[in-house]
Amino acid sequence: AQKITQTQPGMFVQEKEAVTLDCTYDTSDQSYGLFWYKQPSSGEMIFLIYQGSYDEQNATEGRYSLNFQKARKSANLVISASQLGDSAMYFCAMRESGGSGTYKYIFGTGTRLKVLA
Amino acid sequence: EAQVTQNPRYLITVTGKKLTVTCSQNMNHEYMSWYRQDPGLGLRQIYYSMNVEVTDKGDVPEGYKVSRKEKRNFPLILESPSPNQTSLYFCASSPYGHRVLATDTQYFGPGTRLTVL
Repeated sequence: AQKITQTQPGMFVQEKEAVTLDCTYDTSDQSYGLFWYKQPSSGEMIFLIYQGSYDEQNATEGRYSLNFQKARKSANLVISASQLGDSAMYFCAMRESGGSGTYKYIFGTGTRLKVLA
Repeated sequence: EAQVTQNPRYLITVTGKKLTVTCSQNMNHEYMSWYRQDPGLGLRQIYYSMNVEVTDKGDVPEGYKVSRKEKRNFPLILESPSPNQTSLYFCASSPYGHRVLATDTQYFGPGTRLTVL
């Protein structure tokens, strides 16, 4: 079973509108971290936002917010006021215990966002 | 400048010819990791290291080796590359080796595009 599921392979959004990128996760751990990364066409991985499993408030970073619904195991990324430069691939990721005091990262398959002028 | 460097950035090789992709970070990070990125599959963790001389298998370790003799370096070794190892490889590092809930993210290298003929 997928541990991180991103059900939207591709999305379009009009410039200046808000968009939500979906992410659901599966873990039996109580302690875990959730991340979103952006990968523009140039290929680098850019960190956007983090949410810890015990954080009661949704994380926000500028135009990015993470809609964290723990009971539903969802961690959707909301981008407000989309800009042309937001066109990129977006990855949801989870950091969870790898056993024996280690931790590991699991990524989703990504959502390619295209912002239309 | 704080960074993760990878070399080479691009490599075309032939089946069976041993190769090493180097990764180095100058941030004194404890945690280092290798990923491969394939279309439709997102990023998958190959190996990770919590600290010097401590390495663990990720989700797709077959056909790869790593070592962590120094804190700053984490080379990825392909002893006998095969065409199914053609991929985009990322090295990443993060500060804390034993904190699942740490708010720090991973810092990614620029990627190495490997083609095995």
